[in-house]
Amino acid sequence: KQEVTQIPAALSVPEGENLVLNCSFTDSAIYNLQWFRQDPGKGLTSLLLIQSSQREQTSGRLNASLDKSSGRSTLYIAASQPGDSATYLCAVKGSGAGSYQLTFGKGTKLSVIP
Amino acid sequence: DAMVIQNPRYQVTQFGKPVTLSCSQTLNHNVMYWYQQKSSQAPKLLFHYYDKDFNNEADTPDNFQSRRPNTSFCFLDIRSPGLGDAAMYLCATSRDIMGGGDTQYFGPGTRLTVL
Repeated sequence: KQEVTQIPAALSVPEGENLVLNCSFTDSAIYNLQWFRQDPGKGLTSLLLIQSSQREQTSGRLNASLDKSSGRSTLYIAASQPGDSATYLCAVKGSGAGSYQLTFGKGTKLSVIP
Repeated sequence: DAMVIQNPRYQVTQFGKPVTLSCSQTLNHNVMYWYQQKSSQAPKLLFHYYDKDFNNEADTPDNFQSRRPNTSFCFLDIRSPGLGDAAMYLCATSRDIMGGGDTQYFGPGTRLTVL
């Protein structure tokens, strides 16, 4: 059974700092890995999707990497802003038979202090 | 804008009183999902529909049912809510299930409170 772990559970940084969020997963048989953002009391917004054949994806100040063989992904946020404060969830989509669904981590709650 | 809409955004019900949550989509996606998310926890998949085919997760309680009368709408029915069912319920859609290039689009969620 796929397990996804995110470290740290919470992170507080001053505005302008670069930061890295970590995600690890136990089963490398995946179609893709996705990073989502969730604001308090809201749904999930997809930030980046990395397919299993890719190593990284970039969108603006966000860069996500994937090392499928070691079961790790990182989300790098450059020049953090208070508006980046949210919970960031990592999810993997399995590729094994009967396991095509997303498995989520519990998330990292990010606070960017002005 | 194409989107996933959930109603109501907040639902309060009494212990044991049936409740229905609604989800609609304008994306014309084949797949619709229902997730349960408790505070500080990962979203947990309850079930999904691929077109009209219903797929229940093995550990989803029988208390939870779903209906998809057409492509656009999907409902989550909780037959006898318990205190442990208080959570955020998230609806999501995707074009397909298999493949690596497809993401899920989430609605804003319905916060369920059970008194």
